[in-house]
Amino acid sequence: NAGVTQTPKFQVLKTGQSMTLQCAQDMNHEYMSWYRQDPGMGLRLIHYSVGAGITDQGEVPNGYNVSRSTTEDFPLRLLSAAPSQTSVYFCASRRGTGDTEAFFGQGTRLTVV
Amino acid sequence: AQSVTQLDSQVPVFEEAPVELRCNYSSSVSVYLFWYVQYPNQGLQLLLKYLSGSTLVKGINGFEAEFNKSQTSFHLRKPSVHISDTAEYFCAVSDTGGSYIPTFGRGTSLIVHP
Repeated sequence: NAGVTQTPKFQVLKTGQSMTLQCAQDMNHEYMSWYRQDPGMGLRLIHYSVGAGITDQGEVPNGYNVSRSTTEDFPLRLLSAAPSQTSVYFCASRRGTGDTEAFFGQGTRLTVV
Repeated sequence: AQSVTQLDSQVPVFEEAPVELRCNYSSSVSVYLFWYVQYPNQGLQLLLKYLSGSTLVKGINGFEAEFNKSQTSFHLRKPSVHISDTAEYFCAVSDTGGSYIPTFGRGTSLIVHP
């Protein structure tokens, strides 16, 4: 059971560089979302998707892009990295009903220098 | 829209002592409630959830939580903690008829001392 797989686990970027954080799930879940976790701030929603081809912004979307071409994959793109984007990023998926739990990946620790 | 408040950012406790982690929520509609645990350098995993019915729900690792509608609370309890319970705990809420994207609290760091 792979569940939710995130790659890479660690990444260091220079300011202005771009990169894509990968997220894949093998549970056929409709809902997928990206969070960032910062000390004292909990989990903040960046973007989410309710199905292939449908995405929407969360609480902190600026500086990030997403797309969902398949049910399985939900990549997060940083267009021009900034030090303020240094964080731990989590991808999560769940079935399309509110009574089900979210399944999380192991996280990507990103440092922007 | 809903919100979640975890009243304590850090809770230190000695091993084998009882613990309560507090969570209050606000919502204009009915909600589902969840507690997640995050061990160091890992993702979150579900501890327990309240959907309907009995207000006392039991989860993994001996944890339980009680839903109190009048006080809009969902406090997490364990009668006797272990060193291995040291982790970050997150309360989350999702409404019963909306987008189903859960809103998370800021987390409570449980630190169990020997």
